[in-house]
Amino acid sequence: DGGITQSPKYLFRKEGQNVTLSCEQNLNHDAMYWYRQDPGQGLRLIYYSQIVNDFQKGDIAEGYSVSREKKESFPLTVTSAQKNPTAFYLCASSMIREVYGYTFGSGTRLTVV
Amino acid sequence: GEDVEQSLFLSVREGDSSVINCTYTDSSSTYLYWYKQEPGAGLQLLTYIFSNMDMKQDQRLTVLLNKKDKHLSLRIADTQTGDSAIYFCAERTNAGKSTFGDGTTLTVKP
Repeated sequence: DGGITQSPKYLFRKEGQNVTLSCEQNLNHDAMYWYRQDPGQGLRLIYYSQIVNDFQKGDIAEGYSVSREKKESFPLTVTSAQKNPTAFYLCASSMIREVYGYTFGSGTRLTVV
Repeated sequence: GEDVEQSLFLSVREGDSSVINCTYTDSSSTYLYWYKQEPGAGLQLLTYIFSNMDMKQDQRLTVLLNKKDKHLSLRIADTQTGDSAIYFCAERTNAGKSTFGDGTTLTVKP
């Protein structure tokens, strides 16, 4: 079955560490997105990519980095520069002109220890 | 700029209808969506409506769009305890990105 897979489901980061969250899709979608969700808040866009080897900053890109070397994959690195990284991270994908909305992964919960 | 607003909480009794409201600001919005999020999970697309429509019905779900007032609503008929979740309204413009509201937490009491 086609879908979008995020891993790991839970991730713990020590102070000063970089960590990478994985997002893979086999839906042949052109566009991929990373969102951050904090308790009681909506989704805030971190980065998005509409084509391989190209990506744009979203509203809260500071302290994060991404790459899009393959259409299927859009990993997110949370760097040590991100001072408050504890959150629920959601990856999504869509066709560029898709009218049917986004397909979301099941999320990664990142906790700083 | 783009902004989507929703009330944060709604509580209903099982069997009643639920109505979740949303307002948006971008008049160039072409598609509007409702997503459902259960605890610890990702968002699931429930339904969508094009900006040239004013109503869409899909089983227990009815979406109403008032384009003049930029108001969108989701009605869930015969609400069940399994409908308890966070519901997000989202708009999508010709630029391709979606903007999400903060979500409405629906609690269904037996």
